[in-house]
Amino acid sequence: DQQVKQNSPSLSVQEGRISILNCDYTNSMFDYFLWYKKYPAEGPTFLISISSIKDKNEDGRFTVFLNKSAKHLSLHIVPSQPGDSAVYFCAASLYGGATNKLIFGTGTLLAVQP
Amino acid sequence: DAGVTQSPTHLIKTRGQQVTLRCSPKSGHDTVSWYQQALGQGPQFIFQYYEEEERQRGNFPDRFSGHQFPNYSSELNVNALLLGDSALYLCASSLSLSGLNTEAFFGQGTRLTVV
Repeated sequence: DQQVKQNSPSLSVQEGRISILNCDYTNSMFDYFLWYKKYPAEGPTFLISISSIKDKNEDGRFTVFLNKSAKHLSLHIVPSQPGDSAVYFCAASLYGGATNKLIFGTGTLLAVQP
Repeated sequence: DAGVTQSPTHLIKTRGQQVTLRCSPKSGHDTVSWYQQALGQGPQFIFQYYEEEERQRGNFPDRFSGHQFPNYSSELNVNALLLGDSALYLCASSLSLSGLNTEAFFGQGTRLTVV
């Protein structure tokens, strides 16, 4: 049972344009969501997070939007840069729980073309 | 400030053997989680250690076991290795504050190949 889904395995965007990565979840108990970026041969790097009490969180070029009614979140990268090329994972957790066990999606490979 | 460090980076084992992977958490972190990432998949939660106890476990068989030491470092042990255990094993550390966890920081992983 895939509780967190990233339906686009890959995305190609021109440098300077907006990248939009999408993520859907099925468990309405999730109350904390995170995005991680992963380069080959490295571990995932934390990018940005959002609590379910918010619908938007912004950090520099990265903005995460949360639509709880649709159980959908998205990561916007503006403007996209070649160095953003990586695999992006969406993850969800029960932040209020004793553990922040993360449930990951399968990832989206972003390629930013110069 | 050293981040999360894992050893070894690569490992090749034969079916039926046992393996031990090691993790040192980020300075100041007291909680260690282990994840398995198969090719083309997202990381899957194996278990989490806090105060030297296994606090939560994912859907993995008992062949997977772990340990946390007083200095917060951790080991992941896998017995009776199967070909399907070939994966990238990731360690993540975080800080437990009054029962809530901060964002998890990941190590670079150990690539385990079972032949």
